Amino acid sequence: GAVVSQHPSRVICKSGTSVKIECRSLDFQATTMFWYRQFPKQSLMLMATSNEGSKATYEQGVEKDKFLINHASLTLSTLTVTSAHPEDSSFYICSARDVLGLSYEQYFGPGTRLTVT
Amino acid sequence: AQTVTQSQPEMSVQEAETVTLSCTYDTSESDYYLFWYKQPPSRQMILVIRQEAYKQQNATENRFSVNFQKAAKSFSLKISDSQLGDAAMYFCAYRSREYGNKLVFGAGTILRVKS
Repeated sequence: GAVVSQHPSRVICKSGTSVKIECRSLDFQATTMFWYRQFPKQSLMLMATSNEGSKATYEQGVEKDKFLINHASLTLSTLTVTSAHPEDSSFYICSARDVLGLSYEQYFGPGTRLTVT
Repeated sequence: AQTVTQSQPEMSVQEAETVTLSCTYDTSESDYYLFWYKQPPSRQMILVIRQEAYKQQNATENRFSVNFQKAAKSFSLKISDSQLGDAAMYFCAYRSREYGNKLVFGAGTILRVKS
């Protein structure tokens, strides 16, 4: 149980275009999802917390207009990188928290590798 | 602010041997959780072990065990009988209600296993 999927697993886009990454909880409902960014051999950096039906909460230094997050249902959150530039190239990971669980456990997706050319 | 420090960027261990990864954290809270996550080359984050701060007993999961020293704010991971499949990046993480139950990660330790 507690499986989180991400789509696509890797994407290449041209500079100036937008790209959407989906994060789905497959066998549980998640009121809260988290989006992380990870550079090679570095730690996970929390970008934002996404709550179902409300606006996302962004961490300091993260551009809200650049990284649009939508959490439209209890099983789906999306991250849209708008007007992507090469410096946005990175590995993006989502995690989801089980709404019924009392442990606040986070379950991680497999990640999406974004390359902007 | 809560911080998690992993002072070993890289560690190596011989297959079948034991290795200990270090982690310290800084907090003023008394109720929190600590975790070790493994990130293999696939980059999928895998929960290795969890420790509740109110529990004095150290958590164990098969070959993985922790040494939790609450007063010293230390949380080390011991891997016994190391296997090639243990090679990965290991992250120590902290979570508390006061921080919105968000995970705070350390910088990570790359573990290499030699055959």
